[in-house]
Amino acid sequence: EVQLVQSGAEVKKPGESLKISCKGSGYSFSDYWIAWVRQMPGKGLEWMGIIYPGDSDTKYSPSVEGQVTISADKSISTADLQWSSLKASDTAMYYCARQGDSGSYYYYWGQGTLVTVSS
Amino acid sequence: DIQMTQSPSTLSASVGDRVTITCRASQSISIWLAWYQQKPGKAPKFLIHKASSLESGVPSRFSGSGSGTEFTLTISFLQPDDFATYYCQQYNNYPYTFGQGTKLEIK
Repeated sequence: EVQLVQSGAEVKKPGESLKISCKGSGYSFSDYWIAWVRQMPGKGLEWMGIIYPGDSDTKYSPSVEGQVTISADKSISTADLQWSSLKASDTAMYYCARQGDSGSYYYYWGQGTLVTVSS
Repeated sequence: DIQMTQSPSTLSASVGDRVTITCRASQSISIWLAWYQQKPGKAPKFLIHKASSLESGVPSRFSGSGSGTEFTLTISFLQPDDFATYYCQQYNNYPYTFGQGTKLEIK
């Protein structure tokens, strides 16, 4: 059974750094793109970027490029999303999602990681 | 970036109704469109890919159509479990983008 399990909720202060993770299981982690999707409180879904764990090829949305870093370690089947300096506006639920077998839609989703940034 | 615009933003309907949600792309995306359902506090659930390919296990009352720039998601004979927010997503060009969502409410 394919599963994506995300790390737990985080409460941080502005300016702090953070890394959240998404661990895949039940499939060949290296072979499928993993996306990160942001959902701000009460808002819609926003595609942030994707990574191919097999070679770490990464693509970002212009809206977040330079603000976050997406990485993956295929040896431990984990993809990460990290910030070097959080802002209050980073407060959101973050989902990881795996592409489907026949295209870049997102069939499997993690349970979400809530990030709260507040002074 | 390709902009995805859904209409309406909110839709009120009753159990048993047939409803249609429209998703328009700012440029052609061929058939590379997916639909998702999201309920409060839950991760999105994948419904349809390639504009009209229904995922196994998704009830047949859901259907998708369209190509190019205009797409629709139709739910026939609404069930109580269908009241949720629906999103379209294009995966033709990076950055892949979602529509703003359509909230389907009970009338």
